[in-house]
Amino acid sequence: DTAVSQTPKYLVTQMGNDKSIKCEQNLGHDTMYWYKQDSKKFLKIMFSYNNKELIINETVPNRFSPKSPDKAHLNLHINSLELGDSAVYFCASSPSPPWAQETQYFGPGTRLLVL
Amino acid sequence: DAKTTQPNSMESNEEEPVHLPCNHSTISGTDYIHWYRQLPSQGPEYVIHGLTSNVNNRMASLAIAEDRKSSTLILHRATLRDAAVYYCILRDGEAGTYKYIFGTGTRLKVLA
Repeated sequence: DTAVSQTPKYLVTQMGNDKSIKCEQNLGHDTMYWYKQDSKKFLKIMFSYNNKELIINETVPNRFSPKSPDKAHLNLHINSLELGDSAVYFCASSPSPPWAQETQYFGPGTRLLVL
Repeated sequence: DAKTTQPNSMESNEEEPVHLPCNHSTISGTDYIHWYRQLPSQGPEYVIHGLTSNVNNRMASLAIAEDRKSSTLILHRATLRDAAVYYCILRDGEAGTYKYIFGTGTRLKVLA
């Protein structure tokens, strides 16, 4: 069984569209994350939820809206997609929030290409 | 910005040991040192972590300097499958808002 799964794996869309990426973890973890890896391969934290509550919100345009319907799921909705949103988006989870310094488990990534 | 500095790239021959260094001069007393790696076209994966003592697991060993301002990830026998970007990470931020900051990492190339 895949521990952290993301759908879709690939997403190609036009500028201005709205799209969602879904993430699910079956590890029983309390904390989930979204990271963005751009073309230069820098991996940056975007958001984190603990028990469905937002605990980390980096400087991300408000076109990005995360939603956590339950502890096992963290979705990312992006409005009005721009060329600069093209990147690989990784979901991750950990047993506790990052101040507990526990291992984070990453999904396989969603490759988003905005044309 | 990441609190760690690593060489951009390193090369190793297959079947030989690899020592990947990391400097973290501003580490605090309660910061664990974490290592992750990212294989091509995959998400990062956990390798090892430690606080003060050297650590071993099935993947690697972690040697931590006595003053904790640097550490070294040791792959005892590099294989082609170990070619990846290796990240040395400390938690960053203030209490209640800690997060992991991934720096540029070290790209390890393993030569057959």
